Amino acid sequence: EAGVAQSPRYKIIEKRQSVAFWCNPISGHATLYWYQQILGQGPKLLIQFQNNGVVDDSQLPKDRFSAERLKGVDSTLKIQPAKLEDSAVYLCASSPRARYNEQFFGPGTRLTVL
Amino acid sequence: EDQVTQSPEALRLQEGESSSLNCSYTVSGLRGLFWYRQDPGKGPEFLFTLYSAGEEKEKERLKATLTKKESFLHITAPKPEDSATYLCAVQAGTALIFGKGTTLSVSS
Repeated sequence: EAGVAQSPRYKIIEKRQSVAFWCNPISGHATLYWYQQILGQGPKLLIQFQNNGVVDDSQLPKDRFSAERLKGVDSTLKIQPAKLEDSAVYLCASSPRARYNEQFFGPGTRLTVL
Repeated sequence: EDQVTQSPEALRLQEGESSSLNCSYTVSGLRGLFWYRQDPGKGPEFLFTLYSAGEEKEKERLKATLTKKESFLHITAPKPEDSATYLCAVQAGTALIFGKGTTLSVSS
């Protein structure tokens, strides 16, 4: 069974630039999560999708971050414009319908904002 | 406010030297406590879920236990391949709240 795929794996941008991350969840997983993991911290949930609807985006900085999950499969997370404090690993995870104990994580995208 | 605190931040052990990692939590209505392992450059990998005080789960050299206020991850006779960051998380509503993790280094 293929795991959660993410791209790119690494991205370096200047502050105020925009960036987008892509995630392809495990086939058949209805729930998709985006987490931000700052160095030395645990992952923090940014947004959770159930199929293509948003379940929880309470911690998403909506003035600069956006995410979508078209057709309930792939998802993209965008940052525009980026700030220095956005430097982190962005993790995508998926699970069968809201089964939190069965979250499978992708390898993450390491973002460096200069 | 829901919160997860892990200690110690880092732990260095000799191969075969058993020890425990601690995860203390405050959450309104625990719906599950989770342990994950994270290797450098990779996403977290699920280890255990505990739901109620007194519950225990085991997997190879790892054993997780749960009380009303904290969870322990016991590592018996660790090997170098157990070196990783161990993350604890609690389910609060629809979200998982993670601690900062304990980085374990096991030397031979």
